Amino acid sequence: DTAVSQTPKYLVTQMGNDKSIKCEQNLGHDTMYWYKQDSKKFLKIMFSYNNKELIINETVPNRFSPKSPDKAHLNLHINSLELGDSAVYFCASSSGLGNTIYFGEGSWLTVV
Amino acid sequence: AQSVTQLGSHVSVSEGALVLLRCNYSSSVPPYLFWYVQYPNQGLQLLLKYTTGATLVKGINGFEAEFKKSETSFHLTKPSAHMSDAAEYFCAVSVDAGGTSYGKLTFGQGTILTVHP
Repeated sequence: DTAVSQTPKYLVTQMGNDKSIKCEQNLGHDTMYWYKQDSKKFLKIMFSYNNKELIINETVPNRFSPKSPDKAHLNLHINSLELGDSAVYFCASSSGLGNTIYFGEGSWLTVV
Repeated sequence: AQSVTQLGSHVSVSEGALVLLRCNYSSSVPPYLFWYVQYPNQGLQLLLKYTTGATLVKGINGFEAEFKKSETSFHLTKPSAHMSDAAEYFCAVSVDAGGTSYGKLTFGQGTILTVHP
């Protein structure tokens, strides 16, 4: 039973489109995250939610809008996709500071 | 703000040889330190972490790391490399930023480990 699951795993779409990536965790964690891994494999946090409340927004363009309908879910919606949005997006969750952050398998987004 | 530097973007070893992946961090407050491994086209898996207590921590797959505060380092080692260890390894740090960090990780640039037969 996957702890952090995200869908879709692969997504190819055209510039200008809007797309969503869904994430669910079954670990009972209060905190969820979105990380972006760029083409050079550099990982950087985008957002974090704690108990459905946005707590971290790392200067991400407002075309990216996270939504957390409940503690177990954190979705990422991206409007007007650009070529530079091509990356791997990882969802993750944890029970807080100092605790292990569990990552999903990633969603490979390619914008053409 | 905290940061992580991994020395060497590529490390190549022979099977059976010692693996040493270097990680240095910068933080004005006590850090929590992590090593993650990423296999091709997969997510990140935790190898080990240091929070408090014993500075030598053991992880999965025979890996261990030692927190050295004086050197601001958290190097990852394994006595004998296996072919299955070939992957990319990420060092990461999180800190208690007065209740505002919520455990977010700051990652290093990653080190690709290649293991030769």
